[in-house]
Formats: sequence, C-alpha cells, structure tokens
Amino acid sequence: AQSVTQPDIHITVSEGASLELRCNYSYGATPYLFWYVQSPGQGLQLLLKYFSGDTLVQGIKGFEAEFKRSQSSFNLGKPSVHWSDAAEYFCAVGNSGGSNYKLTFGKGTLLTVNP
Amino acid sequence: EPEVTQTPSHQVTQMGQEVILRCVPISNHLYFYWYRQILGQKVEFLVSFYNNEISEKSEIFDDQFSVERPDGSNFTLKIRSTKLEDSAMYFCASKEAWLQGALETQYFGPGTRLLVL
Repeated sequence: AQSVTQPDIHITVSEGASLELRCNYSYGATPYLFWYVQSPGQGLQLLLKYFSGDTLVQGIKGFEAEFKRSQSSFNLGKPSVHWSDAAEYFCAVGNSGGSNYKLTFGKGTLLTVNP
Repeated sequence: EPEVTQTPSHQVTQMGQEVILRCVPISNHLYFYWYRQILGQKVEFLVSFYNNEISEKSEIFDDQFSVERPDGSNFTLKIRSTKLEDSAMYFCASKEAWLQGALETQYFGPGTRLLVL
C-alpha cells in the first residue's frame, strides 16, 4: 500500500530564509507526487506535481521540489520565504495504476514564518 | 478561474441524523472524489466516482455513506446516520479526463466542516 511520511510536524523559519519541507513516500511503481498547501479556512491548493521527466519541478509561488527515486523523497523548497507562505503543507502520492488515481496524503507540516 | 465549490461551509448535526454534503465540481471534469480530514489528522481518501458509479472506495466508506450525481452538476455525499467520529472536514475534488502522457490535477473545494454532537 502506498504511504507518505512528512517527518516534520511544525517548522518555523524567518522571513527571507530558505525552506525545505521533507517528504518520503512508499510506492511500488513510479509514483505521481504532489505538494498541496492549505491556508487556514481554505481548501487544498496544488503547488506542484511530478509525473515523469525532469526530476526538479517548479511550482507556483516560487516553490520547487526534487524527486529522488533512490531516496524515495520529494522534498519541497523555496529560496526565500515570505510571511504569506505560513500555512500547512501536504505531500501526497497518487497511485499510477490507472487514470482514476486516488491521493494518499502525509500528515502535513505546519509552517510558521517569523518577521 | 474555475473552482470546486462546496456547501454548506459548516454543518452541525445530532448523532444519528442524516446529512448531505454538496459539491459542484468544475464543469468539464469527469472524475469526482470525497476526502475527509479529522481534526489534527491527515487527509484521507473516501471514494472516487466516474461515469456515474463508484470506482473505488476506502474502508471508511461503509454502508452509512453514499454518493450521487443527481443532476449532472452536483456531486453529493450522504451520511445516513451520523456518528460522533464522523466529525471532520470533508473535501470534494474533481479531475478532468485522462490525458495520455499527462497528469491531470485533482482540484479541491474549500471543504465542509461537519460537527456531530
């Protein structure tokens, strides 16, 4: 069964600092990988996704993530964090066995940004 | 930009009552999903729906749950007899058709927070 681990429950960074959110997945085949962000009271917004090809993917709001098959990881990064990036971030894996894939989410990482 | 909408945003109900959560997916999408997030826990898959039938459901999605697409635009989740443990945020998501060699995104609605007393 597929699973996702986000080892960091809560991360605090200063505005302008760089950010890395960790994500490890377990899946037997080539995974579909996603990062979603959830601001308070909001739904889940897609930041970026990986399907195939270039292992470094660019997303919205200046985020990027790198797929590393050897480490079963898909870590999310941003070079310079803005106060508006404070939110909860979810990594997810989609089963690639068919078109109707379901998403399996990690527990999320809450990001706090200090001024 | 098209978006998934959900109503109501909040619902409070008594244990044992029936609730219907409503979703309007993005208009050209063909795959529909319900997920839930119990407070402090991860988002969990409940059910997927395609071509007017359930394509996959999780262990959580027992006989108390049902889904329907009654009129070609709404997608509903019914809980027949609510339990305390059904209290959660329920998210609807939709996805457009399968594109060979592509990866379509599941777009999520803002959620309905259900509280069972």
